[in-house]
Amino acid sequence: AQKITQTQPGMFVQEKEAVTLDCTYDTSDPSYGLFWYKQPSSGEMIFLIYQGSYDQQNATEGRYSLNFQKARKSANLVISASQLGDSAMYFCAMREVSTGNQFYFGTGTSLTVIP
Amino acid sequence: SAVISQKPSRDICQRGTSLTIQCQVDSQVTMMFWYRQQPGQSLTLIATANQGSEATYESGFVIDKFPISRPNLTFSTLTVSNMSPEDSSIYLCSVEQGARGTDTQYFGPGTRLTVL
Repeated sequence: AQKITQTQPGMFVQEKEAVTLDCTYDTSDPSYGLFWYKQPSSGEMIFLIYQGSYDQQNATEGRYSLNFQKARKSANLVISASQLGDSAMYFCAMREVSTGNQFYFGTGTSLTVIP
Repeated sequence: SAVISQKPSRDICQRGTSLTIQCQVDSQVTMMFWYRQQPGQSLTLIATANQGSEATYESGFVIDKFPISRPNLTFSTLTVSNMSPEDSSIYLCSVEQGARGTDTQYFGPGTRLTVL
């Protein structure tokens, strides 16, 4: 079974609008971390936001927030007030303590911001 | 977070040759990781490199094809040996650092390899 599932291969959003990128995960480990990364066309992987499995509140970092629904095993990324520079691939990832802290990456979502 | 650099940033190589990719971190780290990202795909972990010991390779990756060195706590190299067009990928190194206990992986800028 896939550890991380991103079902949206491509998304479009109007500039200044908000957009939600979906991510579901599969683990039986009670201790895990969830991450989102941005990969522009340059290829660099940029860390955006982290959510721990025991965190009570949803993580926020500037215009990024993580909608963490533990019972549904989802960790959707919300980008508010989209900017043209947000156009990139976005990868959801999970780290499981039980598997030696290995990172598992999803297949990514390509986001295009339309002026 | 750590500042990570990689050399070269990109290269075009001939089939059958080898390329060594360097990864430099601005602080001492215990583990460094090497990933491959084939065109249009997600990241796949090649190996974990610890200083002073042999690298640990993931299933499907072998030392003869991807030898790794880790001479100190700030530097590692990955060699892609006897290259074929299927090795055309972005190769990324990363390190783990914890801020507020997150143990996040931070990545270098990547090496974009094209094999002809």
